[in-house]
Amino acid sequence: DVKVTQSSRYLVKRTGEKVFLECVQDMDHENMFWYRQDPGLGLRLIYFSYDVKMKEKGDIPEGYSVSREKKERFSLILESASTNQTSMYLCASSFSPPGTGELFFGEGSRLTVL
Amino acid sequence: QKEVEQNSGPLSVPEGAIASLNCTYSDRGSQSFFWYRQYSGKSPELIMSIYSNGDKEDGRFTAQLNKASQYVSLLIRDSQPSDSATYLCAARGYNNAGNMLTFGGGTRLMVKP
Repeated sequence: DVKVTQSSRYLVKRTGEKVFLECVQDMDHENMFWYRQDPGLGLRLIYFSYDVKMKEKGDIPEGYSVSREKKERFSLILESASTNQTSMYLCASSFSPPGTGELFFGEGSRLTVL
Repeated sequence: QKEVEQNSGPLSVPEGAIASLNCTYSDRGSQSFFWYRQYSGKSPELIMSIYSNGDKEDGRFTAQLNKASQYVSLLIRDSQPSDSATYLCAARGYNNAGNMLTFGGGTRLMVKP
């Protein structure tokens, strides 16, 4: 079975803190993604990566950065956390074409910024 | 802006009935479509994928795709209370990375015993 593991299920941070969210997948997927999910707004793509050290902005990259130093690991970084970044963060991975595009999700990290 | 639209619901059906969930998409270049189920507090899990016009059946689930009309639907037969969840529709588009999914906002389904 594909496994996408997110390092923390629940985090509470203070405004201005630097926050790291880690994600590891074990299926040798080329693509990795970070989404945030908020009530009424659905899943919104923050950043994705299609190869080691490669990254592209999604729909809402402001206030976030990412790092992919190894194929299996994709990190989301909040340089200076703000209260409007309180959300559920979902990591996902997939094969590149000719793969089907199916996304496999981690369990999610619920971040609260006070 | 490429969009995938779903009625947010809640859609309420009695146990044993057919639940019909609908989704429309704006990008005519979309080739593949997915239905994910998400229980409250959990991450989405894939339940159906469909790539060609027509119907695709898997157990109690049937996905339907009509590319001319740009809609995708999911039918759940013999609905069970355990089917109560939010169902997310997603369309696969392409960028220079080759794989991108755009998600709808989800439809909340409630199956009442």
